[in-house]
Order: sequence, then structure tokens, then C-alpha cells
Amino acid sequence: GEDVEQSLFLSVREGDSSVINCTYTDSSSTYLYWYKQEPGAGLQLLTYIFSNMDMKQDQRLTVLLNKKDKHLSLRIADTQTGDSAIYFCAEIPYNAGNMLTFGGGTRLMVKP
Amino acid sequence: DGGITQSPKYLFRKEGQNVTLSCEQNLNHDAMYWYRQDPGQGLRLIYYSQIVNDFQKGDIAEGYSVSREKKESFPLTVTSAQKNPTAFYLCASSWDGGMQFFGPGTRLTVL
Repeated sequence: GEDVEQSLFLSVREGDSSVINCTYTDSSSTYLYWYKQEPGAGLQLLTYIFSNMDMKQDQRLTVLLNKKDKHLSLRIADTQTGDSAIYFCAEIPYNAGNMLTFGGGTRLMVKP
Repeated sequence: DGGITQSPKYLFRKEGQNVTLSCEQNLNHDAMYWYRQDPGQGLRLIYYSQIVNDFQKGDIAEGYSVSREKKESFPLTVTSAQKNPTAFYLCASSWDGGMQFFGPGTRLTVL
């Protein structure tokens, strides 16, 4: 079946913007999530967006949602070395019984 | 403080042994989950429980067992039938599915 897809790796310079992309599977998904995982740690919920929204901004984070293309992105402004981590997107497909489906994760490396 | 705790942080198992990983939450969440994460990979669902005394298999349940006798607790046993158990194990909880909150993880190594 279809998977939630993310690119494996992104490298940026400190102070630049980072854009992490995700293609999800179900246009009927109600909520979409972004999680951050630092080395050796659990997943931290960063932000989420409801499917009737196109954009959500929270401090340095901007989430963009294109339902037609089933595309989700996370933009991190003024990226810092502390943003280096793995970022996972996740959706709740319509018939999944409220179960999250995760992408494979994008490793963000921030160079000083 | 409200949250999810997992113990131990590191666990070593000899081949043929069963080991149990602990997961406790004080968030009053109904649903709890166990995931396995291998190096450089995403999360795979092992088991989940949406209510006390009930649980369902996830995508990779073979070689694992769980119990849900209390709302706060969802221990995972890695049995000797799991042939490749070395991995990072993550527990999560949620109110009714959807937004999940994660514990800090347990790293299991087979010696």
C-alpha cells in the first residue's frame, strides 16, 4: 500500500530556513502531525494542523498543507544547531481507527 | 509532573531470555502503544491498547506480549521467540487515538 513519504536527509547552515516535506496517503486525514526526535530520545510533538487549514504558524515553525496534492511541509525559520534531529510527519487516515501512520523521518543536520 | 515514563533506559538480554519493559503514564490517557525503532528507520507498531484489559496486535507483534491490567501501565515483554530484538522501544499514550505523547524510550541490546 501507500506509505507516508519523507526525504531521508536535509542539511542547512545555521540561520537559514529549513523546509521538511512529507507526502501523506489519505486526503481524508483529519489531523496531521510533526514530531521531533533528538538522538537517543523519544518523540516530541512539535505541532499539528487540522485538515481544514492551509497554514499554521507557531513561533519559528510554519506548517503548510496542500490537501489536493496530499503534501505537508514544516518550515523552521532561523534554524539553530539545537534543531538538529529527526523529524517525523504523521497522519490519521480516515479508516485507521484513530491510529497514527508515521513517515520514515527526515534527519536535519544544521551546520554552524 | 504529568508524563510518560519508561524503564529501564538501557536493557541487556541474553539469548533465550524474556525481558519486560515498563511503561507508565499519569496523563489519564485511555490508549497506549508500543513501537519499535531500528537504526535509521521509522516507527513500527508492536501492540496497542485502547482500554484497560483489552489490546490488539500491531504490524510486528510476533515475539512480543503485553498486558493492560491498569490504565496507567502497559508493560511489554520481549520473549525468546523474538529473534532480532535489539532495537529502541518507544511507548506512547493518547486520549482516544490521534495525538500521541511519547516516553523517553528503552534501548534493548541482545548480548
